[in-house]
Amino acid sequence: QVTLKESGPVLVKPTETLTLTCTVSGFSLSNARMGVSWIRQPPGKALEWLAHIFSNDEKSYSTSLKSRLTISKDTSKSHVVLTMTNIDPMDTATYFCARIVDIVATNWGQGTLVTVSS
Amino acid sequence: QLVVTQSPSASASLGASVKLTCTLSSGHSTYAIAWHQQQPEKGPRFLIKLNSDGSHSKGDGIPDRFSGSSSGAERYLTISSLQSEDEADYYCQTWGTGIQVFGGGTKLTVL
Repeated sequence: QVTLKESGPVLVKPTETLTLTCTVSGFSLSNARMGVSWIRQPPGKALEWLAHIFSNDEKSYSTSLKSRLTISKDTSKSHVVLTMTNIDPMDTATYFCARIVDIVATNWGQGTLVTVSS
Repeated sequence: QLVVTQSPSASASLGASVKLTCTLSSGHSTYAIAWHQQQPEKGPRFLIKLNSDGSHSKGDGIPDRFSGSSSGAERYLTISSLQSEDEADYYCQTWGTGIQVFGGGTKLTVL
């Protein structure tokens, strides 16, 4: 059974760096054609893709957020980590990670709500 | 620019069918898309991947009531025999080289 679980801080202060971890099970981060995406959803708003990383370590980022994002993986720990620098209240959202197979998000985590406030 | 457009809302009666539309931007009419369902207060769930020729593949455990079709730049999700639990937000997703895009979502109300 494929599962993904997001973890990270609930509350972050403006200008700080946010670090989120996605722990996966039921598949390996080294499986061909597979990877993990990070997607966020501000309260009451639509989904927004942030970044993805594939098993071959190929990475892509949202054009609008590229300068602030870094995605990485630790295959041995089944972790995918997303860091976002210079956090702003506009970054308040539920952050989801999802398994991607040939880039399609086929399994989603439950999400973690991050609030940015001083 | 790769964009997918969805109507903000739709409604249909319990037991009826509804067809949701996702429209690809100009120049991208051959792109595949995926449909995802997000029930209230839950994470999204993958429903179906839909190619431009109408061929599709579904997520695990997705009922036959959910089907997809294509016409030109439009990709459709049809839900038949509507049930109360189908009331949800539906998002389409597409992708290009090094990019993914989500539509604004369609809120489906089951009357």
